[in-house]
Amino acid sequence: NAGVTQTPKFQVLKTGQSMTLQCAQDMNHEYMSWYRQDPGMGLRLIHYSVGAGITDQGEVPNGYNVSRSTTEDFPLRLLSAAPSQTSVYFCASSLGQGTDTQYFGPGTRLTVL
Amino acid sequence: GQNIDQPTEMTATEGAIVQINCTYQTSGFNGLFWYQQHAGEAPTFLSYNVLDGLEEKGRFSSFLSRSKGYSYLLLKELQMKDSASYLCAVRGWDNNDMRFGAGTRLTVKP
Repeated sequence: NAGVTQTPKFQVLKTGQSMTLQCAQDMNHEYMSWYRQDPGMGLRLIHYSVGAGITDQGEVPNGYNVSRSTTEDFPLRLLSAAPSQTSVYFCASSLGQGTDTQYFGPGTRLTVL
Repeated sequence: GQNIDQPTEMTATEGAIVQINCTYQTSGFNGLFWYQQHAGEAPTFLSYNVLDGLEEKGRFSSFLSRSKGYSYLLLKELQMKDSASYLCAVRGWDNNDMRFGAGTRLTVKP
């Protein structure tokens, strides 16, 4: 099993550009989520999904969209990048929600100029 | 909402024991997690507590007191590879209520 994979590893955008961060898992996990990690702050939940076709907002959803057309994939879209979105983005998955352990992808380091 | 507090940095000596504390304020509680994160890498799961008491897993142990809103991670027989950030996270009752502390950066010195 590859676990949770993310692409790209690094990305530089200009303000106003859009892009999609890819996330995939091969563990047949129902629950997937996106976090951002900024210096001096904890991981913050952006969006999450409890299964294919179902998504919902987390703590900091503004400026991001998600979709979940399959169990395996959970892409994160930046609609119009802003410097405040410079961060490290982690995708995570777990068998279910609640008390299940989350497995994190390797992260995408995004810089918005 | 939830507030998670843990020390920013700690230093310890190889072979020693270190305790990393985490305090939290929560409107609902459905478990506390500890994750390890090496620099530039993804967090990896260490432990989970939902009931009061101590959970032991090899060199690592985690303790929880729900009445005090307090947890600690105990690392024994420290090794150089234990140098990393340790993240405390609390899950509330809602699916979107998973809050992480800012992490404690542990440096293990020879």
